[in-house]
Amino acid sequence: RKEVEQDPGPFNVPEGATVAFNCTYSNSASQSFFWYRQDCRKEPKLLMSVYSSGNEDGRFTAQLNRASQYISLLIRDSKLSDSATYLCVVNSVDSSYKLIFGSGTRLLVRP
Amino acid sequence: DTAVSQTPKYLVTQMGNDKSIKCEQNLGHDTMYWYKQDSKKFLKIMFSYNNKELIINETVPNRFSPKSPDKAHLNLHINSLELGDSAVYFCASSQNRRAAVISYNEQFFGPGTRLTVL
Repeated sequence: RKEVEQDPGPFNVPEGATVAFNCTYSNSASQSFFWYRQDCRKEPKLLMSVYSSGNEDGRFTAQLNRASQYISLLIRDSKLSDSATYLCVVNSVDSSYKLIFGSGTRLLVRP
Repeated sequence: DTAVSQTPKYLVTQMGNDKSIKCEQNLGHDTMYWYKQDSKKFLKIMFSYNNKELIINETVPNRFSPKSPDKAHLNLHINSLELGDSAVYFCASSQNRRAAVISYNEQFFGPGTRLTVL
């Protein structure tokens, strides 16, 4: 089983739609979780950290479910500029320096 | 005012050659990383240095040798390049901080070096 698993997509949605991605992680001892965004042929950039209580940043909401070992990202009112690959990231329990990246979920927002 | 920079951006070379990729960060971070992103877009850690000391060394062929002359620079030298080395290599840096048992490790990535081995 992969340490971090995501549905590769693509998710193809119209502008204004609400879309949600899930990600599962294998190590129940994991403590820190993130969503990164990667545009085509660009570097990954931190979108948001995921806190235990859930957190919101504008149109983006991240949730953590420790019992089921999954993380979600909800995007409301999708914009064309949201088209990208969203990477689920978990901090390794072996080293606080090591991040484990999922293979990403691709989102396409159409006009 | 680039935060993490890499050179070159593109590298096309023949099998068997030796090449280097350079990385510099001006964020004042203590930790730097090299990642490999293959054709399936899977991003995997290769090495990490903290204050010039190697702290992560994943299962990577010993043809790959990182070098950190100071904490703002982390270079990657690759000997005897193989076809399978073709990928995008990303450098990253972070300043780890801890709150209780939780570690926050936001990593800032360079623009990547697209290596093509012919």
